[in-house]
Amino acid sequence: AQTVTQSQPEMSVQEAETVTLSCTYDTSESDYYLFWYKQPPSRQMILVIRQEAYKQQNATENRFSVNFQKAAKSFSLKISDSQLGDAAMYFCAYRRESGSARQLTFGSGTQLTVLP
Amino acid sequence: DGGITQSPKYLFRKEGQNVTLSCEQNLNHDAMYWYRQDPGQGLRLIYYSQIVNDFQKGDIAEGYSVSREKKESFPLTVTSAQKNPTAFYLCATSYTRDYGYTFGSGTRLTVV
Repeated sequence: AQTVTQSQPEMSVQEAETVTLSCTYDTSESDYYLFWYKQPPSRQMILVIRQEAYKQQNATENRFSVNFQKAAKSFSLKISDSQLGDAAMYFCAYRRESGSARQLTFGSGTQLTVLP
Repeated sequence: DGGITQSPKYLFRKEGQNVTLSCEQNLNHDAMYWYRQDPGQGLRLIYYSQIVNDFQKGDIAEGYSVSREKKESFPLTVTSAQKNPTAFYLCATSYTRDYGYTFGSGTRLTVV
């Protein structure tokens, strides 16, 4: 079974600074996707960024980028120029692409606080 | 606007009662999912369905039941067999081979 581990239950960052959230996963599959979701106080889940495992290039979305290390099974999220609106719970998630089931497996989350 | 509607937003259940959480989508997505969220544990999969009239158990299906009679609807029933049902429940949808999920706004269930 696949597992996703987020070892930082809480993180804080000063506004305008950069922060990196860690995620590791365990799988024997070669074809899969990785995601970062954001859950603000409203509890609405919002997709931040996604990475296909077969792509070596790290995904970027504006101020958000990932460091994908496939051999190490590591998938960290970097938030640059942090803003107050970035404060939220962040979940790392894994989804395999083989077989019939493609459900997401989530980590336990990292609560990010942005300090003004 | 296309989206997912979960209702009600808040639900209170008495001990021994069954309750049903609604999830309706107009995105024409094939797959639908139910997740449970507890503090410090992330999201855990309860049930999922990839086509109408078919569904599969997730990691924590005990005490829950679902149906998928229409593509648009995937209701979740929390039965009296679920011993600790107080949690936040999220419904999600996706195309079978789409990149990610679209989530509803959730239902907070509390046992009173």
